Amino acid sequence: AQSVSQHNHHVILSEAASLELGCNYSYGGTVNLFWYVQYPGQHLQLLLKYFSGDPLVKGIKGFEAEFIKSKFSFNLRKPSVQWSDTAEYFCAAREWIWPGGYQKVTFGTGTKLQVIP
Amino acid sequence: DTEVTQTPKHLVMGMTNKKSLKCEQHMGHRAMYWYKQKAKKPPELMFVYSYEKLSINESVPSRFSPECPNSSLLNLHLHALQPEDSALYLCASSQERQGQLTDTQYFGPGTRLTVL
Repeated sequence: AQSVSQHNHHVILSEAASLELGCNYSYGGTVNLFWYVQYPGQHLQLLLKYFSGDPLVKGIKGFEAEFIKSKFSFNLRKPSVQWSDTAEYFCAAREWIWPGGYQKVTFGTGTKLQVIP
Repeated sequence: DTEVTQTPKHLVMGMTNKKSLKCEQHMGHRAMYWYKQKAKKPPELMFVYSYEKLSINESVPSRFSPECPNSSLLNLHLHALQPEDSALYLCASSQERQGQLTDTQYFGPGTRLTVL
């Protein structure tokens, strides 16, 4: 079974600061990785995803993530955060269950980002 | 339409009540999921339905009973819940096709459940 860990539980940044949130996974097979964001009072939204190919993935709202296979990491980055980025960020890993052809997603514990104007 | 809808948005129930949560999607997805999210915790998978058949039950207590009446609908029937079952219940769906590894789960807004 896979596991996902996020070491930063609560991050406080000033606007325009750079952001990097750590995510590590443990899974021996082909891994699909995601970052989701959950704004206060809103539902989970997909920020970006990695399946294969270029390990540097660009997502919405200026976010990007880098998949480093040797480090089992998929860190989220943004060069300059805004107050509107205040939210909780979840890293997730997906494994496919066969037979059946369905996916099981495991989430990290989340990182609460607070951006101060 | 890339939306998963859930009703109700909020639900308060007593421990002896019977209630149901509903989830609907019209994206043609053939896999649907129930997650439970406690405050300040990540979502935890409860059930997976694939082609209207229950595929995964993550050791969920029998007081939670899922039902998938058709490919667009997913219900979660609740009976004799405990206060510790209070949480946000999230529904998700995805297009499950063998070999198609690019399919993403889409999440609904959730039902905030409070058990008194």
